[in-house]
Amino acid sequence: GAVVSQHPSWVICKSGTSVKIECRSLDFQATTMFWYRQFPKQSLMLMATSNEGSKATYEQGVEKDKFLINHASLTLSTLTVTSAHPEDSSFYICSARHPAGGGETQYFGPGTRLLVL
Amino acid sequence: QKEVEQNSGPLSVPEGAIASLNCTYSDRVSQSFFWYRQYSGKSPELIMSIYSNGDKEDGRFTAQLNKASQYVSLLIRDSQPSDSATYLCAVTSGGFKTIFGAGTRLFVKA
Repeated sequence: GAVVSQHPSWVICKSGTSVKIECRSLDFQATTMFWYRQFPKQSLMLMATSNEGSKATYEQGVEKDKFLINHASLTLSTLTVTSAHPEDSSFYICSARHPAGGGETQYFGPGTRLLVL
Repeated sequence: QKEVEQNSGPLSVPEGAIASLNCTYSDRVSQSFFWYRQYSGKSPELIMSIYSNGDKEDGRFTAQLNKASQYVSLLIRDSQPSDSATYLCAVTSGGFKTIFGAGTRLFVKA
């Protein structure tokens, strides 16, 4: 099956610091990856679409200068939360689009819990 | 109107019963349909994908698609307490834009 990893699985940081989260597709190449955020008991919220070799596409209301996305290779996308604040504390989940079967299936990473103190 | 709608639940069924989860979508040109399971505190896990009208079975799971009526459903036979989770319906339209429903919480009582 398709495996997507995320690192770190959880992080605690001080307000004002930056945090980088990595998303890797382990057994397939993904030209497109997605970054989601999920608050407790709420639904997934798509933050941005990450395309290999080009700029990410951000959803309305998501600050691109605060959430920096880099998709430098076909197996790695990174999300950097810059100058994190307590309100950025959330569960960040990435997914990767698998190329098989029309390339529309997304496989999710295990998620990263961010707590900003 | 939301693009992908699901009843938030909770849907409560006894162990061994059939759980029926429904999803409707608004974009008629939608092409691909997915069901994900999300346990509390975990990320979504793909259960089923379906692309053409009719039924698709995989073990205890059956996905049903009716494009004319714009709905997709997931049946879970012989429900187990371990099936208790939130089930997300996802629909992909032209341009590979995937829209997720808010999810239905399922509770299987032992």
